[in-house]
Amino acid sequence: EAQVTQNPRYLITVTGKKLTVTCSQNMNHEYMSWYRQDPGLGLRQIYYSMNVEVTDKGDVPEGYKVSRKEKRNFPLILESPSPNQTSLYFCASSLYGSPNTEAFFGQGTRLTVV
Amino acid sequence: QKEVEQDPGPLSVPEGAIVSLNCTYSNSAFQYFMWYRQYSRKGPELLMYTYSSGNKEDGRFTAQVDKSSKYISLFIRDSQPSDSATYLCAMSGNTGTASKLTFGTGTRLQVTL
Repeated sequence: EAQVTQNPRYLITVTGKKLTVTCSQNMNHEYMSWYRQDPGLGLRQIYYSMNVEVTDKGDVPEGYKVSRKEKRNFPLILESPSPNQTSLYFCASSLYGSPNTEAFFGQGTRLTVV
Repeated sequence: QKEVEQDPGPLSVPEGAIVSLNCTYSNSAFQYFMWYRQYSRKGPELLMYTYSSGNKEDGRFTAQVDKSSKYISLFIRDSQPSDSATYLCAMSGNTGTASKLTFGTGTRLQVTL
């Protein structure tokens, strides 16, 4: 089954404790991205990757890091989480980065930073 | 001002009603228009995709794009309780900053029995 898998689904952590949210896709897609979803603000792109070892900032990259060492994996790293990073996070992948290709989303990771 | 505006709802309709969901946008570079459906505790999934202006129909769903007014709509005929979800419009263009997906905030729809 074609899917994007995120882990964990739920996470509560304390301010400043480094964490990683994993994302893996089994569709051999080149393009992967991370979004956060907040009430009243919708989905905002954090980082994206056009291919292995190619990453770039989205609209709200501050406080986040990513890496793309393998095509299937695109982890999101919060080096020093803060309460304003409490949000619902989605990983997405698509065949290419062109605008007319469907984006497939993971199930989401609900992060709470206290 | 946001590039894409969408009424957050919630919108509550009885089963069988026709539902109209809308988005307006300001970036004239947008050429690709999509509607994603997001069930509670799930990720968004693509529902409809339209290029440039015009209509597209898929079963009970019709997507309309009016580029001259910068206005897109999604119509749901004979709405069902299973249509209860949040509907996100998304759009993009070919070049520059418009080439990434820009989402509306989503409209929450509740279809009641």
